[in-house]
Amino acid sequence: ETGVTQTPRHLVMGMTNKKSLKCEQHLGHNAMYWYKQSAKKPLELMFVYSLEERVENNSVPSRFSPECPNSSHLFLHLHTLQPEDSALYLCASSQDHTAGRHGYTFGSGTRLTVV
Amino acid sequence: AQSVTQPDIHITVSEGASLELRCNYSYGATPYLFWYVQSPGQGLQLLLKYFSGDTLVQGIKGFEAEFKRSQSSFNLRKPSVHWSDAAEYFCAVRNNAGNMLTFGGGTRLMVKP
Repeated sequence: ETGVTQTPRHLVMGMTNKKSLKCEQHLGHNAMYWYKQSAKKPLELMFVYSLEERVENNSVPSRFSPECPNSSHLFLHLHTLQPEDSALYLCASSQDHTAGRHGYTFGSGTRLTVV
Repeated sequence: AQSVTQPDIHITVSEGASLELRCNYSYGATPYLFWYVQSPGQGLQLLLKYFSGDTLVQGIKGFEAEFKRSQSSFNLRKPSVHWSDAAEYFCAVRNNAGNMLTFGGGTRLMVKP
């Protein structure tokens, strides 16, 4: 399998639930990202990881907790979310965290609905 | 800080007609610029990128974009649109530190038969 794979594709969770989003890349990239895409809003960068270390946390609430155990895997742990957190969560990777000349490769996203 | 503006939220064109999607950026130095396309329910796919050299950049699916420094623009064009081009298009610029892309708000393209 190649590219960036996100699971699950769809997730419905209650506000008191705990769930995790998973992202896996098979491109040999060293940097991974979480973006949030809400209706009628620009893409919002949430987290940047480079070589498994977090290099950017874009003022994201603590109810979102990222984890990067190795350069191929990225998780987003969710707990006590709010309905306004419902969105498409996109994972991306790049060769290095400078997003250099190559931009990002995106996964297909996880559509999250908080009820 | 860098920013990207896509002035048109929605555009409708007839199949076979030409297309131009506008993108204006704000950035202090020579920018790295990108265009992405997103089909419904999918992630973003890179169409083309500019970082130096020839200001007319060719991409996939018959798209091209022209970097105009004097106008701070990086407009996306296609001479003849196909129904399968209906999607949302995002312009992006790399930030000063080089560790992230800032995206515009997107332009949704609809294609009439």
